[in-house]
Amino acid sequence: DAGVTQSPTHLIKTRGQQVTLRCSPKSGHDTVSWYQQALGQGPQFIFQYYEEEERQRGNFPDRFSGHQFPNYSSELNVNALLLGDSALYLCASSPQGRNQPQHFGDGTRLSIL
Amino acid sequence: AQTVTQSQPEMSVQEAETVTLSCTYDTSENNYYLFWYKQPPSRQMILVIRQEAYKQQNATENRFSVNFQKAAKSFSLKISDSQLGDTAMYFCAFMPSNLFGNEKLTFGTGTRLTIIP
Repeated sequence: DAGVTQSPTHLIKTRGQQVTLRCSPKSGHDTVSWYQQALGQGPQFIFQYYEEEERQRGNFPDRFSGHQFPNYSSELNVNALLLGDSALYLCASSPQGRNQPQHFGDGTRLSIL
Repeated sequence: AQTVTQSQPEMSVQEAETVTLSCTYDTSENNYYLFWYKQPPSRQMILVIRQEAYKQQNATENRFSVNFQKAAKSFSLKISDSQLGDTAMYFCAFMPSNLFGNEKLTFGTGTRLTIIP
């Protein structure tokens, strides 16, 4: 049973570019959340998708957007990249139901030059 | 808004000893969940243990146990018989209860734990 998978593992971009990160949830999970983890910090919530809609959003600018597909996989898009966007981006999935624990992927390390 | 505070940036302990990691939180919610996650150098965030706020009994998972003090808003993790594989960053996390689905996690800044052979 595959867990949460994220791609790519590592990505290098330059300021002003755009990036798309991908996530496939654990089998049986329908809710996907994205987190940004800066070096030496705890993860910060970006947004959550359920039934192909953004259900919750953290304190991140509109440059951060996402999408969820009918198969529950998800994408995180970041436009006009800034140096401060350099971080580990974690995807977490959880199953249908209330208050279920979230399962995390290995993350995508995004470096902005 | 909720906040989670981990006041120990780094800790180290000899293999086979017991270590306790501290966590405090602030919330106006009455129903919520608390978690400890482990993040080894491989980067994957792994769930260690979960506590439901309305349960008075402290959660236990093998060598891992918590001391949950709701009135004090304290949630510490005790690792018994520590092993080299326990070396990792440990994050305390808070999640409000939701009647309809799953809420976001709010994390602390983490404690880097090193187990010394």
